[in-house]
Amino acid sequence: AQTVTQSQPEMSVQEAETVTLSCTYDTSESDYYLFWYKQPPSRQMILVIRQEAYKQQNATENRFSVNFQKAAKSFSLKISDSQLGDAAMYFCAYRRINGNSGYALNFGKGTSLLVTP
Amino acid sequence: KAGVTQTPRYLIKTRGQQVTLSCSPISGHRSVSWYQQTPGQGLQFLFEYFSETQRNKGNFPGRFSGRQFSNSRSEMNVSTLELGDSALYLCASSGTGGGTEAFFGQGTRLTVV
Repeated sequence: AQTVTQSQPEMSVQEAETVTLSCTYDTSESDYYLFWYKQPPSRQMILVIRQEAYKQQNATENRFSVNFQKAAKSFSLKISDSQLGDAAMYFCAYRRINGNSGYALNFGKGTSLLVTP
Repeated sequence: KAGVTQTPRYLIKTRGQQVTLSCSPISGHRSVSWYQQTPGQGLQFLFEYFSETQRNKGNFPGRFSGRQFSNSRSEMNVSTLELGDSALYLCASSGTGGGTEAFFGQGTRLTVV
């Protein structure tokens, strides 16, 4: 079974600064997807960024970028120019490639991000 | 385009009762997955339905069951409720395609007393 580990239960960052959230995973598969989801106090899970394992280029979405190290099975999220609205719980998730395996996501335990003015 | 709708938003039940939660996916999405979120265990996958068939199942007891209708709406049922079933239950829908993302509903907060 694939496991996802987020070793930082809580992180804090000042507004306008940069913060990196860590995620490692364990899998024997060569192709898969990795995601970062954000869950604000409203509890609505929102996709932040997605990475396909077969792509070497790191994904980027505006202020959000990832550092994907396939050999090390590491998938960290970097948030630049942090904003108060970035405060939330962040979850790293793994998903096997489509087919009979379906769309089931394996989530890490999450990192609570606090943004201070 | 309407998002994923879960009803009810909040629910209080007594131990031993059963409960049914509903999820309406985004129009056109055929996959519906259910997750249980608790402070202790985090987010855990319950099961996934695709075109009315259960395609994937997590490690939960048989008290947890689900189904999907021809319009892709899904229901999740928990029988003989236990205190430990208190959780936020999230539903996610996905379209077709390998890299498609899962869109989540706002969840149903179930409290078992």
